[in-house]
Amino acid sequence: NAGVMQNPRHLVRRRGQEARLRCSPMKGHSHVYWYRQLPEEGLKFMVYLQKENIIDESGMPKERFSAEFPKEGPSILRIQQVVRGDSAAYFCASSPLLASGANVLTFGAGSRLTVL
Amino acid sequence: SQKIEQNSEALNIQEGKTATLTCNYTNYSPAYLQWYRQDPGRGPVFLLLIRENEKEKRKERLKVTFDTTLKQSLFHITASQPADSATYLCAPGGDMRFGAGTRLTVKP
Repeated sequence: NAGVMQNPRHLVRRRGQEARLRCSPMKGHSHVYWYRQLPEEGLKFMVYLQKENIIDESGMPKERFSAEFPKEGPSILRIQQVVRGDSAAYFCASSPLLASGANVLTFGAGSRLTVL
Repeated sequence: SQKIEQNSEALNIQEGKTATLTCNYTNYSPAYLQWYRQDPGRGPVFLLLIRENEKEKRKERLKVTFDTTLKQSLFHITASQPADSATYLCAPGGDMRFGAGTRLTVKP
């Protein structure tokens, strides 16, 4: 089991370009979470998705950011028209659907976005 | 609004001592609470989950308590080692928001 796979690990974009970050959850996991982490700061929740559904996007900026988790393929976090303030580590996590209802997360290694 | 507070931003202790980290939450009534460890440059790793009907949970040198009246969880590492140095994050409930974390440094 390869774990949660995120790519690219490092991404450099110029201001105004688009950034696409991909996350393949662990096999058998049907829930995906995205977080942003600025240097020396905590994990900030962005969005929670299940296959083909956005369950909670209350942490996502209203503009320029979007996320999807299609029926087939990885989850994608898309940032349009990037600005320097978008430079951060973006972590994806996945969890299975447990009968007990507890969501224990397995995190990926993160994607580090640098905006020049 | 919901709030998660973890005691100090940084905690320095001597090797062999017990580290105690605090997680307080407000406007939550979580059925469970989780603790994760994050090393620099890496994603967090799950450590322990404690449910509201459990007062205490142990795993090797780790011990977690959960007081739903005080709205607080304590995370203890006994006989601490330099390898325990990391940032520790708590997450009350199922919406998977995290506290800002406590950076623990264990000095040899």
